[in-house]
Amino acid sequence: AQKITQTQPGMFVQEKEAVTLDCTYDTSDPSYGLFWYKQPSSGEMIFLIYQGSYDQQNATEGRYSLNFQKARKSANLVISASQLGDSAMYFCAMREYGQNFVFGPGTRLSVLP
Amino acid sequence: EAQVTQNPRYLITVTGKKLTVTCSQNMNHEYMSWYRQDPGLGLRQIYYSMNVEVTDKGDVPEGYKVSRKEKRNFPLILESPSPNQTSLYFCASSRVGGSGNTIYFGEGSWLTVV
Repeated sequence: AQKITQTQPGMFVQEKEAVTLDCTYDTSDPSYGLFWYKQPSSGEMIFLIYQGSYDQQNATEGRYSLNFQKARKSANLVISASQLGDSAMYFCAMREYGQNFVFGPGTRLSVLP
Repeated sequence: EAQVTQNPRYLITVTGKKLTVTCSQNMNHEYMSWYRQDPGLGLRQIYYSMNVEVTDKGDVPEGYKVSRKEKRNFPLILESPSPNQTSLYFCASSRVGGSGNTIYFGEGSWLTVV
């Protein structure tokens, strides 16, 4: 069965510093996608970044990048130059080809001024 | 505008009074899903549907029912709500083909059962 692990329930980072949020996954399907979502205190879920299992390069979207290590089955989110508005819950998710989405338990990030 | 719409957004109800939370999407997505979110427990899947007339249990289906009679709608039914169903509920949708289609979330429904 698919499984997503996020081992950091909470993280703190100083404003303007970079931070890495960990995500490991478990699947035997060679075709899958990995996603990160942000949930600010207002509650909405915001899509951040996507990485396909066959993608050769790590995905990047502005200040967000995904450190994809396929052999280790890890898909860590890197946020560069943290801002106060980055304080939120972050969820890692995976989807095998044509299948159900699976979400991790989330990491709460707090950016300190 | 592409969106997933849930109603009601906020509801306080009493134990045992049947209620339905509606969910509609305008993106012609095959996949739809319901989640509940409680403090410290992340997103837990209640039910999901891969297409019309196809529904499957998620991790926490007890006390809930769903139906998928048409592609755009996926209502969540609480036949006899109890206080432990007080939670934030999300509906979501996505295309099924491939593994790269992201999931779109509704704005959430805050439900309190007293």
